[in-house]
Amino acid sequence: KAGVTQTPRYLIKTRGQQVTLSCSPISGHRSVSWYQQTPGQGLQFLFEYFSETQRNKGNFPGRFSGRQFSNSRSEMNVSTLELGDSALYLCASSLDDGQGGAEAFFGQGTRLTVV
Amino acid sequence: AQSVAQPEDQVNVAEGNPLTVKCTYSVSGNPYLFWYVQYPNRGLQFLLKYITGDNLVKGSYGFEAEFNKSQTSFHLKKPSALVSDSALYFCAVRDILTGGGNKLTFGTGTQLKVEL
Repeated sequence: KAGVTQTPRYLIKTRGQQVTLSCSPISGHRSVSWYQQTPGQGLQFLFEYFSETQRNKGNFPGRFSGRQFSNSRSEMNVSTLELGDSALYLCASSLDDGQGGAEAFFGQGTRLTVV
Repeated sequence: AQSVAQPEDQVNVAEGNPLTVKCTYSVSGNPYLFWYVQYPNRGLQFLLKYITGDNLVKGSYGFEAEFNKSQTSFHLKKPSALVSDSALYFCAVRDILTGGGNKLTFGTGTQLKVEL
C-alpha cells in the first residue's frame, strides 16, 4: 500500500509569490490534514479536510488556504509569501473512524524556502 | 484547549540501557494520545497510540507507553535502547470533545540521543 505522497519535496520561492503544495493520501483515507513545522514554533496544525470540506482550521492567516478533491487528494496554497513561511509542510491522512481514534500517517513533507 | 508538554528537549542514554521520554497532556475530556518519531528531513512515523483499555500500550520497534490518568502523563519507554533509536520524538493529543475531526496537538519534541 502506497504511503502519503507529497510533491514537490523542495521549493524555493521569492517573497510575495504564491505556492501550491500537493498531497496524495493513502488509498481509502478521506481525512487529510496539513501541518507546518518550524524550529521556533514546532508542529502547528493548519487545517483538515474531509470529503472535500474543511472540517478544522488552525490559527493561521487567510494567506494559507487549502482544498480537497473528490479523489481525496489535497492541495494547500500560500499567497503573498513571507520569509517566515519558510518551513517543512507536512500532510497527514487518516482513515476516519468517526471516533477520532485513527492514527495519522504523514508524508515526507515539502521543504519551502522563501528568499 | 488541548495541550501537550514534553519537558525535556534532549534525552541522552547509553545503548542497551532503558529509555524514557516524558509527556504530559491537558484536555477537556478523554484524551486520545499518540507518539511519533521523526528522522532528519523526513515526515513523522507513527509509533503507538492510547485510545482506551490497558494503560500499557505496545507499539513499533519495541517501544511502549504507559497512560496515567491521575498524573495526566503518557511516557514513552523502551527496555533497551539502540543507536538507531536516535531521533526526534513527538507526543500528540486529540481531544474527542472538540467536535470531531483528526486535529492533533503536538508537544515541542524531545531529541533522543543513544550513544555507544
